[in-house]
Amino acid sequence: DQQVKQNSPSLSVQEGRISILNCDYTNSMFDYFLWYKKYPAEGPTFLISISSIKDKNEDGRFTVFLNKSAKHLSLHIVPSQPGDSAVYFCAASASTGNQFYFGTGTSLTVIP
Amino acid sequence: DTEVTQTPKHLVMGMTNKKSLKCEQHMGHRAMYWYKQKAKKPPELMFVYSYEKLSINESVPSRFSPECPNSSLLNLHLHALQPEDSALYLCASSQIASGGVHNEQFFGPGTRLTVL
Repeated sequence: DQQVKQNSPSLSVQEGRISILNCDYTNSMFDYFLWYKKYPAEGPTFLISISSIKDKNEDGRFTVFLNKSAKHLSLHIVPSQPGDSAVYFCAASASTGNQFYFGTGTSLTVIP
Repeated sequence: DTEVTQTPKHLVMGMTNKKSLKCEQHMGHRAMYWYKQKAKKPPELMFVYSYEKLSINESVPSRFSPECPNSSLLNLHLHALQPEDSALYLCASSQIASGGVHNEQFFGPGTRLTVL
């Protein structure tokens, strides 16, 4: 049973515009959420995280929004750059556990 | 040093072979993980070590045998694998915060395994 879902397998965006990647989760015990970026033939790279006590966390061009009531989080990339083209995974964990649950990934293509 | 290293990068083995995958980190992290990733799928957790003790085994077949010789090293011993075990094997590590909470994971580049 997939507890973390990314319903869009792919997304294409023009360079300079905003990219919005979405993620939904089902387990209300999850209280820590992360986004990872993955290039082909490389391991995932940690991008940004948010804990459930916040609803927004910003780091440069990357902002993660958390809507706990909707069990939804999103990653905004502004402005998008061609180097952002990669697969983005969201992940979630519960502070009562010690493992992370990954979504299925969204492949982002930023068109120059 | 903020890197997780994995060797080898690529491995081709027959179904009767015995091989090992290695993972190393020097960030002082006390949690280490093995994941398996197939193409276009999310990383699938196999094992978690916390303070060098196996804390999670996600019902992985016994042909995969993990070992954590010390806090910096993690091995995955492979024996009698099947072709469907071909995948990218990822190692990760994380700090363990107070209360036993695992922080964000740092991943290695992975070992691309092909079983013939």
